Amino acid sequence: DVKVTQSSRYLVKRTGEKVFLECVQDMDHENMFWYRQDPGLGLRLIYFSYDVKMKEKGDIPEGYSVSREKKERFSLILESASTNQTSMYLCASTGALPYEQYFGPGTRLTVT
Amino acid sequence: KNEVEQSPQNLTAQEGEFITINCSYSVGISALHWLQQHPGGGIVSLFMLSSGKKKHGRLIATINIQEKHSSLHITASHPRDSAVYICAVNFGNEKLTFGTGTRLTIIP
Repeated sequence: DVKVTQSSRYLVKRTGEKVFLECVQDMDHENMFWYRQDPGLGLRLIYFSYDVKMKEKGDIPEGYSVSREKKERFSLILESASTNQTSMYLCASTGALPYEQYFGPGTRLTVT
Repeated sequence: KNEVEQSPQNLTAQEGEFITINCSYSVGISALHWLQQHPGGGIVSLFMLSSGKKKHGRLIATINIQEKHSSLHITASHPRDSAVYICAVNFGNEKLTFGTGTRLTIIP
């Protein structure tokens, strides 16, 4: 019954490394999202994709990029990881109205 | 500005108590979601509402469109209900705007 999966639950990277976080959904959803979750700040949208190769910046896109080459897969890329990108990263997907969102289990990324 | 406010931020109660978490939003919406996140866990969608009331087991969600307000109720609370509950809203498109969450702790 797995619907949204993420490539890693825990990840430790060094400052300056390039980091790839992958998300896969099996519900044929058009819309996919990357969020980060930090204590006291809640969930914040990094990027959003509404179709293959289509993307839109969220509230905090700086330092991140995304790729959506196939409908089921949405990747988040940290070009040069920094310590302030240490966070929980959550992927989600949704279809058409009424936009019920399905979340992945999250990736806890630590940048040292 | 499209905003979502939740209260309380933290709530501690004894097992068996009736729990209410509140959510208010600033402008008209297409849907409101209640989400649950257990410690160290992923996020699960509990309810999606655009009007009225929904019930699932001991959980009840209501929404008042005119007052721009929703409540999540838990009856006969249990320690396994301890989690963060998040209100989130679609302001007319696919993107969600989130409240900051309510950390609920139920003491046996």
